[in-house]
Amino acid sequence: EVQLVESGGGFIQPGGSLRLSCAASGFTFSSYWMTWVRQPPGKGLEWVANIKQDGSEKYYVDSVKGRVTISRDNAKNSLYLQMNSLRAEDTAVYYCVRVMRYYDSSGQIKGYFDYWGQGTLVTVSS
Amino acid sequence: QSALTQPRSVSGSPGQSVTISCTGTNSDVGDYDSVSWCQHHPGKAPKLMIYDVSKRPSGVPDRFSGSKSGNTASLTISGLQAEDEADYYCWSYAGSLVLFGGGTKLTVL
Repeated sequence: EVQLVESGGGFIQPGGSLRLSCAASGFTFSSYWMTWVRQPPGKGLEWVANIKQDGSEKYYVDSVKGRVTISRDNAKNSLYLQMNSLRAEDTAVYYCVRVMRYYDSSGQIKGYFDYWGQGTLVTVSS
Repeated sequence: QSALTQPRSVSGSPGQSVTISCTGTNSDVGDYDSVSWCQHHPGKAPKLMIYDVSKRPSGVPDRFSGSKSGNTASLTISGLQAEDEADYYCWSYAGSLVLFGGGTKLTVL
């Protein structure tokens, strides 16, 4: 059974730093792209960042570029999100998500998020 | 890049059908056959319902179907049941980035 368990959320003051972790089990972690998705209170889902199987490619939403780093440790089956210079607008539930990503016969990228964790809450407030 | 556009809410009675739209541009929904939909009950993990526009993961009832025309994708739920009441989100690749819709709250009357 695929399991994704996030941890590391909490209450942090603006300007602070936090590192989220995601422990993966039930599948070959090193074979999948992974992503973080967040949901601010009362708002919709927002994609935050993607990372390739070997960590060689990473992509970020514009609002977090330069402040957030996605990384992974395949030996530990773990995904991370290092968040610095936190702002009130970063307050959200952060989900760790497995990605099915591939190219179709025409070379076009395809992908979807097939398994989601339960999420961890990050609250940025003074 | 802007989020994809979904209606904020839709509703239907048990047994009826509802359709939720997801409108993007020719740089995302219109350019990629990679639109997905998830169901989200508050406080729980989102659940994938449709991927690659119209494919259903194993275990998802065939009451759920997806389609796309131009820059608009759609999720149709037929034979509405009480447990279908939830928030529904679409998302699409836009190059190497991902765009979500704003979410639609489905109310089963």
